Amino acid sequence: NFILTQPHSVSDSPGKTVTISCTRSSGGIASAYVQWYQQRPGSVPTTIIYEDKERLSGVPDRFSGSIDRSSNSASLTISGLKTEDEADYYCQSHDDNDWIFGGGTKLTVL
Amino acid sequence: QVQLAQSGAEVKKPGASVRVSCKASGYPFTRYGITWVRQAPGQGLEWMGWINGYNGDTRYAQKLQDRVTMTTDSSTSTAYMEVRSLTSGDTAIYYCARWASGYCSSTSCPLSGYWGQGTLVTVSS
Repeated sequence: NFILTQPHSVSDSPGKTVTISCTRSSGGIASAYVQWYQQRPGSVPTTIIYEDKERLSGVPDRFSGSIDRSSNSASLTISGLKTEDEADYYCQSHDDNDWIFGGGTKLTVL
Repeated sequence: QVQLAQSGAEVKKPGASVRVSCKASGYPFTRYGITWVRQAPGQGLEWMGWINGYNGDTRYAQKLQDRVTMTTDSSTSTAYMEVRSLTSGDTAIYYCARWASGYCSSTSCPLSGYWGQGTLVTVSS
C-alpha cells in the first residue's frame, strides 16, 4: 500500500488562509479520489471534502480541496480562518479495495 | 432526521470477541452502505471495512479481514461489526458512517456527514 503523508501540525491566525498537504508516496494522486475529514477536539469525525474537491452539503465554501499531479499531492485549503476550524484534519484515498488514511494534521488557530 | 446510534462501551479480555451495533433511522436503510472506522487512543483514523446495505456485499481492510465480520439486519435497520481474537491493539473508538450515495467502488466511496457517536472498546486483562 502507499502512504499519505500530512504535516503533523499547522497554525495561523483568524482570518488567514491555511493549506494542508497530503502527499501520496507511490502511484498517481489522480488514480483514486481523495477525501478530507475534520475532527474537532473530543468530537466525532465528519466528512468535509469528497472526490478531491466536492464539498459536502452544509460545509462552508471557505473549505476547498484540490489535487496537484506534479507534486503527487492533495490539498485542503481553509480561507478566512475561524477559531471553530481548530481541529485535526485527515486525508484519505483508496488502494484497490483498501482505504488509506493520512496521519492527520492538527490545525491551531492562534 | 438521519441518525446512527451505536451501542455502548465494551470492556473485553484478550482473545474475546466484540460486536458493535449501529442502528440507522431517518432514511431507507437498504439504499446506502455503512463504513466502519476506528481510532486508537490519541491516534489517527483507521478504515476497517464497509457493507452494502442493499445486497450485503462487504470489503474488509487487509490487516483485519481474518478477524472482522460486518453484517446488517434490514428488518431493524441495524449494521453490526464483530471483531474476534481481540488484543490490546484493538482498544479504540469504533465509528460507523453512512455512505453519501448508493455506490462504492475501488476508487471512490464518499461518506456522508452522518456518523455514529462512537463506541469505545477496551481490551484489557
